[in-house]
Amino acid sequence: QQPVQSPQAVILREGEDAVINCSSSKALYSVHWYRQKHGEAPVFLMILLKGGEQKGHEKISASFNEKKQQSSLYLTASQLSYSGTYFCGTPQAGANSKLTFGKGITLSVRP
Amino acid sequence: ETGVTQSPTHLIKTRGQQVTLRCSSQSGHNTVSWYQQALGQGPQFIFQYYREEENGRGNFPPRFSGLQFPNYSSELNVNALELDDSALYLCASSSHGGQYYGYTFGSGTRLTVV
Repeated sequence: QQPVQSPQAVILREGEDAVINCSSSKALYSVHWYRQKHGEAPVFLMILLKGGEQKGHEKISASFNEKKQQSSLYLTASQLSYSGTYFCGTPQAGANSKLTFGKGITLSVRP
Repeated sequence: ETGVTQSPTHLIKTRGQQVTLRCSSQSGHNTVSWYQQALGQGPQFIFQYYREEENGRGNFPPRFSGLQFPNYSSELNVNALELDDSALYLCASSSHGGQYYGYTFGSGTRLTVV
C-alpha cells in the first residue's frame, strides 16, 4: 500500500517554514525520508524507527506518530537548497528490504 | 567514500529488445536494490540482492531479472522490452538491508523504449 503524501506541492519564500506529511492506511514500523532534485539521485535525509521519534537534519526535522500511522517533515527557515521533491518510504511488515514510496511532494523555495 | 554509480546514464531501445543496466554499490555496502521511477512518481521497488541472492521482489514480471556479483555490484536485465518500461531506473545500495541506515541512490539510467 503506497503511503499518501500531502500537500501535493509547496511554494514558499526563503526563510519560511513548511510541513509535509506522509500517512499510511497500514501499520507503520518506520519511515524513511528522501529528497530528489531534478535530474539527480534521491538523497537520504533520515529514518524514524520508533513511534514518537523525532530527528533533525540541519533545519529539517521529522516526527513519527505510530498510532496515527503518519510522519511529518518540518522545514524551518527554508533555504533555496531545500527545493526538490520529498519522498517518504515505508518498509512493509516482514519485508524491511522493500520500501514503498509515496508519490512525492514538490517543494519550491523562491528568493 | 565513493557513491553509487550507474551506467549507462541514458539508453534508447526498441520494443522487444533486451537491456542490461549496471550498478556499482557504495564502498562497504553489501545490499543492492533496484527501483523503477516513472515520470512524476515515486520509485517502485523491483528487487533487492544481498550476498548474490535475490532478497525480496516487487510486483514486476519475470522478464525483469538481476544479478549481484562478489564485489557487490549488480545488473538489472529486462527482456522483451515494452513501451511502459520507459522510466528512470535507480540503483540503491545499503548495509544491513537499509532499514536502519537508509539507502544511497545512484543517479539512475534513463531508459526510453520506442
